[in-house]
Amino acid sequence: DVKVTQSSRYLVKRTGEKVFLECVQDMDHENMFWYRQDPGLGLRLIYFSYDVKMKEKGDIPEGYSVSREKKERFSLILESASTNQTSMYLCASSRISSGANVLTFGAGSRLTVL
Amino acid sequence: KQEVTQIPAALSVPEGENLVLNCSFTDSAIYNLQWFRQDPGKGLTSLLLIQSSQREQTSGRLNASLDKSSGRSTLYIAASQPGDSATYLCAVENQAGTALIFGKGTTLSVSS
Repeated sequence: DVKVTQSSRYLVKRTGEKVFLECVQDMDHENMFWYRQDPGLGLRLIYFSYDVKMKEKGDIPEGYSVSREKKERFSLILESASTNQTSMYLCASSRISSGANVLTFGAGSRLTVL
Repeated sequence: KQEVTQIPAALSVPEGENLVLNCSFTDSAIYNLQWFRQDPGKGLTSLLLIQSSQREQTSGRLNASLDKSSGRSTLYIAASQPGDSATYLCAVENQAGTALIFGKGTTLSVSS
């Protein structure tokens, strides 16, 4: 089974800190995604990547950046964490099957910014 | 802009009931629709994927239907069990290979 591993399940950071959320997949998937999930707002797309060194903004990229230097790793970076970035962050990778984006999600990283 | 809505937001049923979860989307020109399950504090697990050319997909006690023209999908769960308690999300893919757009989910609670 393909696995998507998010390095940290729970993080607590202070306002203004730089935060790295790491995501690694082991099935050679081309596409990788970062979503955040908040009560009442559902999943919202932050960034996605179709290939190494490629990135595309999603619906809410402000305050975030990403890095994809290797195919298996997609990192989400909060340059200066703020309290409104307290959230559950979900990484996913996908393969294309019959033209469909078949996503596999990681377990999530719950970030609290104090 | 595509919007995905799920009704109801929460649902409580006794064990053994058959139930239907609803999903609607504003732009009917979708490429496919997927249903996911999410357990508390966990990531999402894919349940069913319906291509735009298909009308329904089945997996065990789950059946998902798609009516593109009306912008609706339903997830039917037969003979519900306490283990089915979770949040169910639907998501649409507007064009092949693009990012999914999710609804906010329906939280299901099945009591024994």
